[in-house]
Amino acid sequence: EVQLVESGGGLVQPGGSLKLSCAVSGFTFSGSAIHWVRQASGKGLEWVGRMRSKTDNYAAAYGASVKGRFFIFRDDSKNTAFLQMNSLDTEDTAIYYCISGQGELRNDMDVWGQGTTVTVS
Amino acid sequence: QSVLTQPPSASGTPGQRVTISCSGSSPNIERTTVNWYQQPPGMAPKLLMYRNNQRPSGVPDRFSGSKSGTSASLAISGLQSEDEADYYCAAWDDSLPGWVFGGGTKLTVL
Repeated sequence: EVQLVESGGGLVQPGGSLKLSCAVSGFTFSGSAIHWVRQASGKGLEWVGRMRSKTDNYAAAYGASVKGRFFIFRDDSKNTAFLQMNSLDTEDTAIYYCISGQGELRNDMDVWGQGTTVTVS
Repeated sequence: QSVLTQPPSASGTPGQRVTISCSGSSPNIERTTVNWYQQPPGMAPKLLMYRNNQRPSGVPDRFSGSKSGTSASLAISGLQSEDEADYYCAAWDDSLPGWVFGGGTKLTVL
């Protein structure tokens, strides 16, 4: 079964940093992109960013609201991805989801994790 | 203000057909394909439709998608109580570049 499990969320002060992890199981993650999407309480979905696979030169792209502050990393040997969040603001408070896919959906937002909550206060 | 525009709410009775629209522009919907996501209350989103009209394995054929120009739509026929959820459209936007989501449509089954 394909599964993504986020961890690392918690309470952080404004201006602080936090690193989220996303453990992927059930398929070979190395050939797929990893996306991060967030959702503030009672609000819609906001794309945070994505990193493609080694085949696509680990190309990264980020949403305007996080560009220059958030960075995506991946360790394909451990089937794990990370979201490094710096200079956090109260506006970054949200549930953070990691998403990946396989096959024809390897670059798409297919399978979602259950999310981890980040509170900036 | 979302780049993609969806109606905030939609409703229908069991068995009815409901359509949810998603309006975009040239850098996004017109140039690429649209995905749809279903998010039941308190749960993570789930991919419902990809490449405009492709259903992932396990999604009932009551769900269908289409795209024309700068707009896309999701249709749900034979509405069921379990379809009550928030629905989001998403597409890649060349001008940003990045993925953009619609603001979401809350579907109520009356």
